Amino acid sequence: QKEVEQDPGPLSVPEGAIVSLNCTYSNSAFQYFMWYRQYSRKGPELLMYTYSSGNKEDGRFTAQVDKSSKYISLFIRDSQPSDSATYLCAPRGYSGGGADGLTFGKGTHLIIQP
Amino acid sequence: DGGITQSPKYLFRKEGQNVTLSCEQNLNHDAMYWYRQDPGQGLRLIYYSQIVNDFQKGDIAEGYSVSREKKESFPLTVTSAQKNPTAFYLCASSIQGGTYNEQFFGPGTRLTVL
Repeated sequence: QKEVEQDPGPLSVPEGAIVSLNCTYSNSAFQYFMWYRQYSRKGPELLMYTYSSGNKEDGRFTAQVDKSSKYISLFIRDSQPSDSATYLCAPRGYSGGGADGLTFGKGTHLIIQP
Repeated sequence: DGGITQSPKYLFRKEGQNVTLSCEQNLNHDAMYWYRQDPGQGLRLIYYSQIVNDFQKGDIAEGYSVSREKKESFPLTVTSAQKNPTAFYLCASSIQGGTYNEQFFGPGTRLTVL
């Protein structure tokens, strides 16, 4: 079983729809959960991050973590064509203050149709 | 403007040649990283460095080498030993000791072996 699983898509939805993007993970030591957004032929950028279980909202975006089922979700409300991108989840454990590499999911390619 | 620059944007290599990809950052970050991205594979960690003159192998270090002689620079050499080097290469940096280890990415270098 891979450490982080994510459906690569593509996921195509009409403009204005609510989008649900998901990841599952196997390492119970993961405590911090990040979502990166990557536009075509660009580097990823951090979109949201959460700690442990629960929800976090930022504008049209909501990140949700369920540690008991090792399930991570990102919801996008009122989706816009500009949201079309690849979304990568990146959970991590506590590194004792050091900086180490992230484990990324494969990314889900999202297409918002105007 | 603070950020990460990678050069060149596109690189073509003949089989058997070594090539070096450049990565420079002016964010005053201690840690730097190299990732490889293949279609449908997500990002995979090649090497990372937490401090000048020190670096660690990531998940797929075979066929690659790095150096970290300056805080601002972390060049990656793709050697002829790398069997399938055609990919999109991303450099990133972060502070040391951050909770989420937010990594800032460069625009990437697309390497093609002819």
